[in-house]
Amino acid sequence: AQTVTQSQPEMSVQEAETVTLSCTYDTSESDYYLFWYKQPPSRQMILVIRQEAYKQQNATENRFSVNFQKAAKSFSLKISDSQLGDAAMYFCAYRYTSGSRLTFGEGTQLTVNP
Amino acid sequence: GAGVSQSPSNKVTEKGKDVELRCDPISGHTALYWYRQSLGQGLEFLIYFQGNSAPDKSGLPSDRFSAERTGGSVSTLTIQRTQQEDSAVYLCASSLAPRFNYGYTFGSGTRLTVV
Repeated sequence: AQTVTQSQPEMSVQEAETVTLSCTYDTSESDYYLFWYKQPPSRQMILVIRQEAYKQQNATENRFSVNFQKAAKSFSLKISDSQLGDAAMYFCAYRYTSGSRLTFGEGTQLTVNP
Repeated sequence: GAGVSQSPSNKVTEKGKDVELRCDPISGHTALYWYRQSLGQGLEFLIYFQGNSAPDKSGLPSDRFSAERTGGSVSTLTIQRTQQEDSAVYLCASSLAPRFNYGYTFGSGTRLTVV
């Protein structure tokens, strides 16, 4: 069974600084997708960034980028120039290519200090 | 609709009562998912609908939980004889068929409190 682990229950960062959130996963599959979702107090999960396992290039979306290390089964999220609006719970998630359900980690609560 | 709509936003019910939670997915999305998020926890898969296929019910925690999706659109999650451990946020999401890998669009959830 696939598992996703986020070892940092809480993180904090100063506004305008950079922070990295960690995620590791366990799978026997070679073809899969990885995601980072953001959940603000409104509860709605918002897709931040996604990565296809077959792609060697790390995905980037504006201030958000990932460090995908397939051999190490690691998928960290880097947030550059942190903004107050980035404060939220962040979830790492995995989905097998031919599967349907997402498997989520337990989340990292990010606080951004002014 | 423009997004995934869930109702009610919050629900308080007495232990032993039945509750129905509603999800209205994005128009055209054939896949619909229900997840449960207990306090301070990650998301736990409950059930998945894809088009006219039989749903994947493998995540339902007990036979008190059931869900249906009518006309390939609106879905209702029903919890019978609610227990205090059912208190959680129930999130619904929809997507195009998984093979398109567009990720899910989530609703804002229903916070269920069983007292």
